[in-house]
Amino acid sequence: DVKVTQSSRYLVKRTGEKVFLECVQDMDHENMFWYRQDPGLGLRLIYFSYDVKMKEKGDIPEGYSVSREKKERFSLILESASTNQTSMYLCASSLSWMGRFISTNEKLFFGSGTQLSVL
Amino acid sequence: KQEVTQIPAALSVPEGENLVLNCSFTDSAIYNLQWFRQDPGKGLTSLLLIQSSQREQTSGRLNASLDKSSGRSTLYIAASQPGDSATYLCAVPPLTTDSWGKLQFGAGTQVVVTP
Repeated sequence: DVKVTQSSRYLVKRTGEKVFLECVQDMDHENMFWYRQDPGLGLRLIYFSYDVKMKEKGDIPEGYSVSREKKERFSLILESASTNQTSMYLCASSLSWMGRFISTNEKLFFGSGTQLSVL
Repeated sequence: KQEVTQIPAALSVPEGENLVLNCSFTDSAIYNLQWFRQDPGKGLTSLLLIQSSQREQTSGRLNASLDKSSGRSTLYIAASQPGDSATYLCAVPPLTTDSWGKLQFGAGTQVVVTP
């Protein structure tokens, strides 16, 4: 079975702390994504990666960075956490470029999410 | 820019009734459309992916239809059960090469199936 694992289910951090959110997939997918989800704002893409060491900014990259040193692992880093970064963070992966290859392998698989609270 | 809309935002039905969930998109030139389910406080689970060349896709009690010309997809859930209570989201991939990876999600329809 397909599996995307996020290291923490709940996380509480202080303002100014550096925060690491880890995501691991076991499907040998090229693409990995970080979203945040907030009530009334829906899902918003922070960053995505289409290969090891490759990354692209999403719609709201400010205040975040990412790291992809190995194909299976994609980390989201909050350099200096702020209260407005309190949110549900969702990691996802997919086998091929969204929309670029017409195949049934374009499904997006999500992790269970990390609820981050910044106090 | 592609915009994806889901109406209504919330829906409550008695158990056994068929569910009809709507998804509208502004640009009909889509590659595919994906339906997801999200349980409270959890991640999303992909339910069905329907390609642009398809009119329908089925999985068990779920059936998704796609009408590109009218910019609509409908997710039907037959004989609803309390376990179907969740938020259902639809999403379409980007149209342009400078938007690779930026899937456009609808806001979702929150469904409650009452016993």
